[in-house]
Amino acid sequence: EVQVVESGGGLVQPGRSLRLSCTTSGFTFGDYSMSWVRQAPGKGLEWVGFIRSKTYGGTTDYAASVKGRFIISRDDSKSTAYLQLNSLKTEDTALYFCTRVQDYSDGIGYYVYYSDYWGQGTLVTVSS
Amino acid sequence: QSVLTQPPSMSAAPGQKVTISCSGISSNIGNNHVSWYQQLPGTAPKLLIYYNNQRPSGVPDRFSGSKSGTSATLGISGLQTGDEADYFCGSWDSSVSAVVFGGGTKLTVL
Repeated sequence: EVQVVESGGGLVQPGRSLRLSCTTSGFTFGDYSMSWVRQAPGKGLEWVGFIRSKTYGGTTDYAASVKGRFIISRDDSKSTAYLQLNSLKTEDTALYFCTRVQDYSDGIGYYVYYSDYWGQGTLVTVSS
Repeated sequence: QSVLTQPPSMSAAPGQKVTISCSGISSNIGNNHVSWYQQLPGTAPKLLIYYNNQRPSGVPDRFSGSKSGTSATLGISGLQTGDEADYFCGSWDSSVSAVVFGGGTKLTVL
């Protein structure tokens, strides 16, 4: 059974940093891309970014709103992904979900990307 | 404001069918595949549709997806009270190398 569990959330002051962890089990972690998606209270989903598998270079992409402040990394030996949140702002307050990603080209030029497993989320509150 | 456009809310009676639209542009829906997610109250989102119209195992065939041009549609037939949830569409956007989501549609089953 695939399991995705986030941890590390909490209350943090503006300008400070926080690191979230995403611990997984039930699948070969190194074969998959992993992403972070956040949801502000009462709002919709906002994609934060993702990290590709080492097979595809382990590269990352980020949303414009967090680029330069957030860093996604992975430790395949621990089946864990991380989200380093730096220079936090009040608008970063949200429930942060970690997801397993299926991403590939369909062979005719279209890109397939979807999150097939989601954790329950960890709450980050940025406030003074 | 979300990149993909969905109606904020919809309602229908039990047993009826509803279709939820998701509108984008060429760089996202027009040239990439669409996925749909269901978020029941107080829970994490769950994958409902991927590759425009494919259902993961365990998702009832009452749920269907389609895509035409720069728009996608989620259909739910035989509505049940348990279908009351927020529904989000998502797609890769090649122009910004990022995933974009719709703002979500809150479905009420009266």
